Amino acid sequence: TQLLEQSPQFLSIQEGENLTVYCNSSSVFSSLQWYRQEPGEGPVLLVTVVTGGEVKKLKRLTFQFGDARKDSSLHITAAQPGDTGLYLCAGPSNDYKLSFGAGTTVTVRA
Amino acid sequence: GAVVSQHPSRVICKSGTSVKIECRSLDFQATTMFWYRQFPKQSLMLMATSNEGSKATYEQGVEKDKFLINHASLTLSTLTVTSAHPEDSSFYICSARDLHRPGTNEQFFGPGTRLTVL
Repeated sequence: TQLLEQSPQFLSIQEGENLTVYCNSSSVFSSLQWYRQEPGEGPVLLVTVVTGGEVKKLKRLTFQFGDARKDSSLHITAAQPGDTGLYLCAGPSNDYKLSFGAGTTVTVRA
Repeated sequence: GAVVSQHPSRVICKSGTSVKIECRSLDFQATTMFWYRQFPKQSLMLMATSNEGSKATYEQGVEKDKFLINHASLTLSTLTVTSAHPEDSSFYICSARDLHRPGTNEQFFGPGTRLTVL
């Protein structure tokens, strides 16, 4: 089983501040996905990164895939209360399963 | 596109009863669906992989007789929690892979079902 370690586990910041969430593994992944999940709802796919060194932007969210495809980061600029949620990274495992990180709970205070 | 629904969204039942949860892919066909369980502020834990027309594959530690899975069509999978007990109370989430996008690992998630067993 390929393990994904996320850090930090919890993050509480003031509106307008920046934050970064990390997803690391000792294994190489063909791709990594980032999801956001709000309380009482299912995860929603934010982005899939495929190429080593790739950077993708989604409005105020910037996603990076490490050159060696073992790690990824999510950076949020000028966070807003609407960014509050559980952020999950996930990578493909065998038989099309997804291996999930433990998640980072982000709270943005107004 | 790629919408997955779950029904019911919430269910409260008495200990010892069975509960069925449905997972439907609304605008695509899914040969493979996955069932996850999630505890508060924790990540998703895969319970089983459901393949259309064949038996489900269960993860280690998940009782197949306790959590019955049926995937009778390309758009519907069901999870039945049999003889539910309070420790089965959790958030159950399904996901589906698009049959017509075989080269990707993307899964589309349902909104989840909150099960409370009294």
